[in-house]
Amino acid sequence: AQKVTQAQTEISVVEKEDVTLDCVYETRDTTYYLFWYKQPPSGELVFLIRRNSFDEQNEISGRYSWNFQKSTSSFNFTITASQVVDSAVYFCALSEAPDDKIIFGKGTRLHILP
Amino acid sequence: KAGVTQTPRYLIKTRGQQVTLSCSPISGHRSVSWYQQTPGQGLQFLFEYFSETQRNKGNFPGRFSGRQFSNSRSEMNVSTLELGDSALYLCASKTGDSYNEQFFGPGTRLTVL
Repeated sequence: AQKVTQAQTEISVVEKEDVTLDCVYETRDTTYYLFWYKQPPSGELVFLIRRNSFDEQNEISGRYSWNFQKSTSSFNFTITASQVVDSAVYFCALSEAPDDKIIFGKGTRLHILP
Repeated sequence: KAGVTQTPRYLIKTRGQQVTLSCSPISGHRSVSWYQQTPGQGLQFLFEYFSETQRNKGNFPGRFSGRQFSNSRSEMNVSTLELGDSALYLCASKTGDSYNEQFFGPGTRLTVL
């Protein structure tokens, strides 16, 4: 069965600090897709990244970076030099096929303190 | 390009009633998925419709149903509402091809009293 675990329920850091959000997933498939979404206070989920299981290259997009490690079934998300606008709930998610349902973790609420 | 729209944004119902929520996907998107978000259970997948057919289904009771119209707009219905159905219901659309980047709507906040 597929499962996504985000062990960190809530994190608070001071602005400009780096912060890493952990994500551990479970799947029996060799082909799968991993995602990160951001949910700001407005409630609308915003897509951040999709990674397929054959692509273990880490990715950097501005202040955001993602570390995908199949050996530990982890797909961690790091925000460098955090800003108050990064305050949101972040969800890691998994899909076992392009057209399959997406299973979300419980989310990590991130507070960036000024 | 307009985003995913959901109506109504807020809804208050009482136990036993039924409710219908509406979702209009991004133009050209043929897949619509519905999710329930609660503080306790998080984001849970309800079902997905593609070209008017249910393509995937989550683990929810039969009180939760949906449909999709020929213009890709989708509705979900919850009958015999229970207090535990209070949640944010999110709709997401995508083109339906193999790259399943979903775009989410703002959600409908349902409160059951």
